[in-house]
Amino acid sequence: AQSVTQPDIHITVSEGASLELRCNYSYGATPYLFWYVQSPGQGLQLLLKYFSGDTLVQGIKGFEAEFKRSQSSFNLRKPSVHWSDAAEYFCAVAADTGGFKTIFGAGTRLFVKA
Amino acid sequence: KAGVTQTPRYLIKTRGQQVTLSCSPISGHRSVSWYQQTPGQGLQFLFEYFSETQRNKGNFPGRFSGRQFSNSRSEMNVSTLELGDSALYLCASSWGDRGVYEQYFGPGTRLTVT
Repeated sequence: AQSVTQPDIHITVSEGASLELRCNYSYGATPYLFWYVQSPGQGLQLLLKYFSGDTLVQGIKGFEAEFKRSQSSFNLRKPSVHWSDAAEYFCAVAADTGGFKTIFGAGTRLFVKA
Repeated sequence: KAGVTQTPRYLIKTRGQQVTLSCSPISGHRSVSWYQQTPGQGLQFLFEYFSETQRNKGNFPGRFSGRQFSNSRSEMNVSTLELGDSALYLCASSWGDRGVYEQYFGPGTRLTVT
């Protein structure tokens, strides 16, 4: 069965510091991987996606993620965090089961210190 | 292009009642998926509809049902509400074609069951 693990429930970083959010997935076939961000009381916004090709993908708001098949990981990074990045981040894998469904990780809440 | 819209945004119901939530996808999108988000269980997939047919279903009781209309708008219904149904219900739309799995989320409907 497909699953997504985000080992960090919450992370605190200082404004201007670099950020890495971890994500590990379990899926038997080629994964379709995503990172979403959710601000309080809001829906989810797609940050970036990986379907195939270059394993380093660029997204919006200065985020990037690297797909590592050997480690079953898809970690999200940002070189310099801004206070407005404080939110909850979800890693997800799309499973093609005749239709498709997206399996989400539990989320990592990011706090940004001034 | 307008985003995914969900109505109503907030709803308070009493145990035992039923509720219907509505979702209008992005124009041209034929797939609509529904998710339940709670602090304890995170984001859980309910079902996906594509061209008026349910293509995929999550592990929820039969009290949760949905449908999709010819204009791709979708509704989900929860009958005999329980306190545990209190959650943020998110709708997401997609083109729905095989290999195109990125989803765009609406702001959600916050359901409170008392």
